[in-house]
Amino acid sequence: DQQVKQNSPSLSVQEGRISILNCDYTNSMFDYFLWYKKYPAEGPTFLISISSIKDKNEDGRFTVFLNKSAKHLSLHIVPSQPGDSAVYFCAAQLNTDKLIFGTGTRLQVFP
Amino acid sequence: SAVISQKPSRDICQRGTSLTIQCQVDSQVTMMFWYRQQPGQSLTLIATANQGSEATYESGFVIDKFPISRPNLTFSTLTVSNMSPEDSSIYLCSVDGLAGSGEQYFGPGTRLTVT
Repeated sequence: DQQVKQNSPSLSVQEGRISILNCDYTNSMFDYFLWYKKYPAEGPTFLISISSIKDKNEDGRFTVFLNKSAKHLSLHIVPSQPGDSAVYFCAAQLNTDKLIFGTGTRLQVFP
Repeated sequence: SAVISQKPSRDICQRGTSLTIQCQVDSQVTMMFWYRQQPGQSLTLIATANQGSEATYESGFVIDKFPISRPNLTFSTLTVSNMSPEDSSIYLCSVDGLAGSGEQYFGPGTRLTVT
């Protein structure tokens, strides 16, 4: 039973445009939602998070939106840069420690 | 943020053998986590390791297959025992970040291939 789903395995965006990565979840008890970025041969790097009591969190070029009624969150990257090309994982936290990850979306930003 | 190192970074092992993966953190942490990422899959939590107590394993993972040690607040090991090709994965350790943020810091991972 996949509690966190990323239905798009890949996304290709032109440099300077907006990248939108989507994530759906099934468990309404999650406390936090997080986005991680992963380059090949490296561990995931934390990008941005949002508490379940909020609907938006912004950090520079990165904004995460949470729609609790739809059990959906999205990560917006504006403007997209070639260095943003990586695999992006959505994760949800339950009981203040355990992280449950989605399967990832590979973002490619081309010039 | 914590700096985490893992050894080895990669290994190729024969089936039936065991491999111990080390995880070192540059600061004292209460909880350490071990994840597995199988090819094309998401990261899956194997177990949570607290210093001075038995590790807590997630459904589908057992201590006999993945024994964990946590001798102090900066170090942990995960052993993959009696390996089969299905154990070929990236194994990652992580630690908690800021309290209440949900954030975890990850090591670079150990890429294991079982032949």
